[in-house]
Amino acid sequence: NAGVTQTPKFQVLKTGQSMTLQCAQDMNHEYMSWYRQDPGMGLRLIHYSVGAGITDQGEVPNGYNVSRSTTEDFPLRLLSAAPSQTSVYFCASSGTKRSAKNIQYFGAGTRLSVL
Amino acid sequence: RKEVEQDPGPFNVPEGATVAFNCTYSNSASQSFFWYRQDCRKEPKLLMSVYSSGNEDGRFTAQLNRASQYISLLIRDSKLSDSATYLCVVNAGNNRKLIWGLGTSLAVNP
Repeated sequence: NAGVTQTPKFQVLKTGQSMTLQCAQDMNHEYMSWYRQDPGMGLRLIHYSVGAGITDQGEVPNGYNVSRSTTEDFPLRLLSAAPSQTSVYFCASSGTKRSAKNIQYFGAGTRLSVL
Repeated sequence: RKEVEQDPGPFNVPEGATVAFNCTYSNSASQSFFWYRQDCRKEPKLLMSVYSSGNEDGRFTAQLNRASQYISLLIRDSKLSDSATYLCVVNAGNNRKLIWGLGTSLAVNP
């Protein structure tokens, strides 16, 4: 029962570096999303996808790119890391025909520090 | 008004106590309502969905009041293991986007 798998769990970057946060789900979910969680700010949606080949911006998309080439994978790319992107990142997935819509299942998170 | 609003707490209660959290939402078109639980430095996990008629799962009872646009969570006979942050979640109208409250912190003390 892997569910939603995120890698890495921890990452330290220098300002200006780029990296990709990986997210994979094995539940055949059509909907996937990326959130960041900061103290006092709650979960904020970065990007989401309603299916392979379809992505859209969330509430805080600047500085991040996503792609969805397969149903299973939804990587998040930081183009040029900034200290303001220090956060905990969660990937989530939801939605199959046999399950209630909108219940989201989360990965364990990636703790990112940008120095 | 924030889209989803919760009292941040913290709520400090003794073991065995009953505690209730409320959450208000602003979008009258919202159709899906949830309570998630988040332990410190962990991912959110679904605690329960909230149905129009109210629903119960063991010691937990969730209620929805559409007229006043709030949902509630009641925890009876609190356990130490109930200590966590409880997140109120509402969908953004007629779509799958979810709006998350900031959470209510609960500490159950021995």
